[in-house]
Amino acid sequence: GQQLNQSPQSMFIQEGEDVSMNCTSSSIFNTWLWYKQDPGEGPVLLIALYKAGELTSNGRLTAQFGITRKDSFLNISASIPSDVGIYFCAGGSGGDDKIIFGKGTRLHILP
Amino acid sequence: DTAVSQTPKYLVTQMGNDKSIKCEQNLGHDTMYWYKQDSKKFLKIMFSYNNKELIINETVPNRFSPKSPDKAHLNLHINSLELGDSAVYFCASSPGTGPTEAFFGQGTRLTVV
Repeated sequence: GQQLNQSPQSMFIQEGEDVSMNCTSSSIFNTWLWYKQDPGEGPVLLIALYKAGELTSNGRLTAQFGITRKDSFLNISASIPSDVGIYFCAGGSGGDDKIIFGKGTRLHILP
Repeated sequence: DTAVSQTPKYLVTQMGNDKSIKCEQNLGHDTMYWYKQDSKKFLKIMFSYNNKELIINETVPNRFSPKSPDKAHLNLHINSLELGDSAVYFCASSPGTGPTEAFFGQGTRLTVV
């Protein structure tokens, strides 16, 4: 079945640093989504991408839909303490509503 | 107003019991989902309903039965609960057909003892 490989699995950074994470797949996706999950909460949508090559920003967050349609990345600039959490990529393909999630990138900010 | 609300938030129950989790969305979306998140935080789709009709049914034991009385509600009933069913269950909804963005509820943490 389809799988998403999300990396890195964890990141430990200093406040103010930029962050980059990505997702790759052996299959083509028509939609790439990036979510953030805080402890005890459900995932919240950060950015949605629907077109190959699309580059979209949401504040300090920027995400791109890879040209091959098999990958996407998320960058966070100038990280702040509230950026801590788990970031998930998700991909959708075909005519059904199924969205597959990556295994998440756990972002930790060192004091 | 909460967009996707599910109840209860926590559920502790004994093996063998039957339990239900309820979900309601007030976004006017046509599609609703149930996801399971395991202890490693891996999110896996279980079911998807579009306008009260089942459209995705992943490989889930038939002890799990979703029910959609109307397009704003998707409940999950679980029979004969097992220890391995312990997880966080998320309800979500999305605007229409095709893989569009999903909006998630806060989750129900099910613990089977």
